Amino acid sequence: AQTVTQSQPEMSVQEAETVTLSCTYDTSESDYYLFWYKQPPSRQMILVIRQEAYKQQNATENRFSVNFQKAAKSFSLKISDSQLGDAAMYFCAYRSARGNQFYFGTGTSLTVIP
Amino acid sequence: EAGVAQSPRYKIIEKRQSVAFWCNPISGHATLYWYQQILGQGPKLLIQFQNNGVVDDSQLPKDRFSAERLKGVDSTLKIQPAKLEDSAVYLCASSLIFMRGELFFGEGSRLTVL
Repeated sequence: AQTVTQSQPEMSVQEAETVTLSCTYDTSESDYYLFWYKQPPSRQMILVIRQEAYKQQNATENRFSVNFQKAAKSFSLKISDSQLGDAAMYFCAYRSARGNQFYFGTGTSLTVIP
Repeated sequence: EAGVAQSPRYKIIEKRQSVAFWCNPISGHATLYWYQQILGQGPKLLIQFQNNGVVDDSQLPKDRFSAERLKGVDSTLKIQPAKLEDSAVYLCASSLIFMRGELFFGEGSRLTVL
């Protein structure tokens, strides 16, 4: 099974600053999808950003962008201009292109300091 | 579009009692997942359905957990008898069968076993 590793259990950032959350994964597949999910204290997980492995261009969604390094199997999330509402648990997830199985990391708890 | 619906949101029971959780996925989503999320950890897949068939239940403790998805729509997850270590949030998610489909999560059902 694929494994997803998030090595930063906790991170903090000053409001309006930039923070980068790290994620690495292990796979022998060449085609897959990567996701970052946000889980606020209310607990409903929502999708932040998605990256298709066959795309070289890094995905961007407003203040959120990724740095996808396929050879290094690295998928980091950059949050620019951090806002108080960004405080949450962030989970990195992997999905094989061949099936519907998702693999999650252990999460990074992000604190935004006013 | 209605999201993934789960009930109950909260449940407190004593050990050895039974409990059932219900999930109604987004309309048209063929794949349904039940995850267990222990505090401070990432979601752990319990069971995955595609339509009304089980795709993966390798991590479901079958001596006490059971799940069904009748008619390929809503699903029920049951725990009987509950143990203290079953205290967790039980997340239901659904996705389209197509390759790019991400997971859509419900708000979760928080179980406390005393």
